[in-house]
Amino acid sequence: QVRLQESGPGLVKPSQTLSLTCTVSGGSISSGSYFWSWIRQPAGMGLEWIGRIYSSGSANYSPSLKSRVTISIDTSKNQFSLELTSVTAADTAVYYCARAPSVAGSAFDYWGQGTLVTVSS
Amino acid sequence: SYVLTQPPSVSVAPGQTARITCGGNNIESKSVHWYQQKPGQAPVLVVYDDGERPSGIPERFSGSNSGNTATLTISRVEAGDEADYYCQVWDSGSDPYVFGAGTKVTVL
Repeated sequence: QVRLQESGPGLVKPSQTLSLTCTVSGGSISSGSYFWSWIRQPAGMGLEWIGRIYSSGSANYSPSLKSRVTISIDTSKNQFSLELTSVTAADTAVYYCARAPSVAGSAFDYWGQGTLVTVSS
Repeated sequence: SYVLTQPPSVSVAPGQTARITCGGNNIESKSVHWYQQKPGQAPVLVVYDDGERPSGIPERFSGSNSGNTATLTISRVEAGDEADYYCQVWDSGSDPYVFGAGTKVTVL
């Protein structure tokens, strides 16, 4: 059974960098069959896709966040990570990591439990 | 970018049928996925590729997609079905993963 688990600081100061890691268990992140994504959800609001990475390291980002986002992958640790720079209160949200098969149009079949990140001084 | 439109809320009595719509331009040309999210929990995939069910999802959950509207149908609604439901598609544009704003299903 595949499991994804987010980890990282729950509190980040404005203008600083938000850094989260997703650890994958029950399957290899380097199998080449999946895209690995970050998705966020502000309190009481909907889901927003942030970006994704493939096992090769190739990444795609949402146009609205592209200038501030970097997603990286560490296949030796079976992890992928998110960095979001110059954060503001608007970046306060629950951050999820999720998996989608690499076939175009596929759904997110596994999700992490989510981690709340609050941006505040 | 592609836009998905969902009603904010749907109310249904136990045992009845709930239908949640997801509107989009020529959405029938896309594969639509549906997620259930209960308070404080991560989303769970309940229908993928318009009408397929993942393992473990009850047959009460079904989906269809035609024209400009996709629909998630929950038959014989139970109290445990009360949740937010999100539709999602993949778009070939610059923002590939698009979510609807979500529909809150209330079981009366």
